[in-house]
Amino acid sequence: SSELTQDPAVSVALGQTVRITCQGDSLRNYYANWYQQKPRQAPILVIFAKNNRPSGIPDRFSGSSSGNTASLTITGAQAEDEADYYCHSRDSSYNSHLIFGGGTKLTVL
Amino acid sequence: QVQLQQWGAGLLKPSETLSLTCAVYGGSFSGSYWSWIRQPPGKGLEWIGEINHTGSTSYNPSLESRVTISLDTSKNQFSLKLTSVTAADTAVYYCARKPYCSGGKCYWFDPWGQGTQVTVSS
Repeated sequence: SSELTQDPAVSVALGQTVRITCQGDSLRNYYANWYQQKPRQAPILVIFAKNNRPSGIPDRFSGSSSGNTASLTITGAQAEDEADYYCHSRDSSYNSHLIFGGGTKLTVL
Repeated sequence: QVQLQQWGAGLLKPSETLSLTCAVYGGSFSGSYWSWIRQPPGKGLEWIGEINHTGSTSYNPSLESRVTISLDTSKNQFSLKLTSVTAADTAVYYCARKPYCSGGKCYWFDPWGQGTQVTVSS
C-alpha cells in the first residue's frame, strides 16, 4: 500500500505564511485533501480536491500540488490556526482504499 | 446540512467485539459513502472502511478480517463492528461522510462525528 509523509512539526510567526507539505507516490495520480484537528476535537475539512475550501473556511487556507507533493498554505497565520494538520488521499495500490499522512503539528509563535 | 452523532461502548476487554453506531441527521443515505476512521492515542488517523447506500463495502486491508460495516436505512444509521479487539485497537473512533461522485472522483470526509473513545483493557 501507499504512504503519505508529512513533517511532524512546523512553526510560523503570527501573521506570516507557512506551507505544510505531504509527499507520496499516490499524489501523482490522486489529489490531496487536508484536515485541521485541534486538541480533543474531531478533524474538520479545510481543503478538498487539491485546492477547494469548504464553506466557512477562511481564504487564508489554500492548497496546491506538484508531482508527488501536495501543500497546504496558510497565508497570514493566526493563533487559532495552531493545530494538527493531516493530508489524505487514495492509495495508488488499491484505489478504493484511503490513506492519511502522519500529521503535522503547527505551532504559531 | 448533514450532521453525524455516534455512540457505543467505551471500555472493552481483549477478545471482545467493538460495536459503534452513527446516526445521520439532515441528509439522505443515498449519494454518499459512510465511513469509519480511528485515531490511536497520540497518533494519526487511520481509515477503517466504508459503506454506501446499497450496502457495498470497502475495508482497510489491515483490518478487513475483523471489520464489518453495516447500515440501517430505516433509522438512517450505520454501524461498525470490530471483532477480537486488543490493546492496539484502543483509539478514538470517528464516523464520517464521503460524497459520491461518478468515477470515484470525490473522496473527502465531511462532516465527522464527534468521536468515541474506545479503550481495550483487561
